[in-house]
Amino acid sequence: RKEVEQDPGPFNVPEGATVAFNCTYSNSASQSFFWYRQDCRKEPKLLMSVYSSGNEDGRFTAQLNRASQYISLLIRDSKLSDSATYLCVVATDGGSQGNLIFGKGTKLSVKP
Amino acid sequence: DAGVIQSPRHEVTEMGQEVTLRCKPISGHNSLFWYRQTMMRGLELLIYFNNNVPIDDSGMPEDRFSAKMPNASFSTLKIQPSEPRDSAVYFCASSLIVTGISNQPQHFGDGTRLSIL
Repeated sequence: RKEVEQDPGPFNVPEGATVAFNCTYSNSASQSFFWYRQDCRKEPKLLMSVYSSGNEDGRFTAQLNRASQYISLLIRDSKLSDSATYLCVVATDGGSQGNLIFGKGTKLSVKP
Repeated sequence: DAGVIQSPRHEVTEMGQEVTLRCKPISGHNSLFWYRQTMMRGLELLIYFNNNVPIDDSGMPEDRFSAKMPNASFSTLKIQPSEPRDSAVYFCASSLIVTGISNQPQHFGDGTRLSIL
């Protein structure tokens, strides 16, 4: 089983739609979780950290389910500019060493 | 503030040649990471340093790859000799790691797009 798994997509949605991405991880000892965004031919950029109680940043909501080893990202009222690949990221050593495991990403395409 | 700076942005060279990729981390960051990204394998960690010391190089593909961090503001990744299968985008990232504090995001450079002919 891969350490971090994501549906590769692509997810093709109209502007204004709500879209959800899921991610599972294999190491039950993982303690830190992130969502990164990567635009075409660009570097990955931190979108948001994922906290145990769930957290929201504007139109973006991240959830963590430790029992199921599952992370989700919800995007509400999607914009054309949200088109990108979204990477699920897990720290396998408690985050203290900084070693992050990246999923292969889920591609989102928002259409007018 | 300057982010992570990588050079060159693009490199095209013939197989067998030595390739050197360079990275300047964000000032004050104490950890530096080298990644390789391909369509097939996604983003793979090659090696990372904490306080200029290599911590984990298990991701380095083979002996042809080597990385150094002579000081806190500079790192190199070398491939010698290069092969066509090394073609990929190579990213450098840095982070500030504080012991006992989790949730340490990494900040990436623009990457070096490497093509080996």
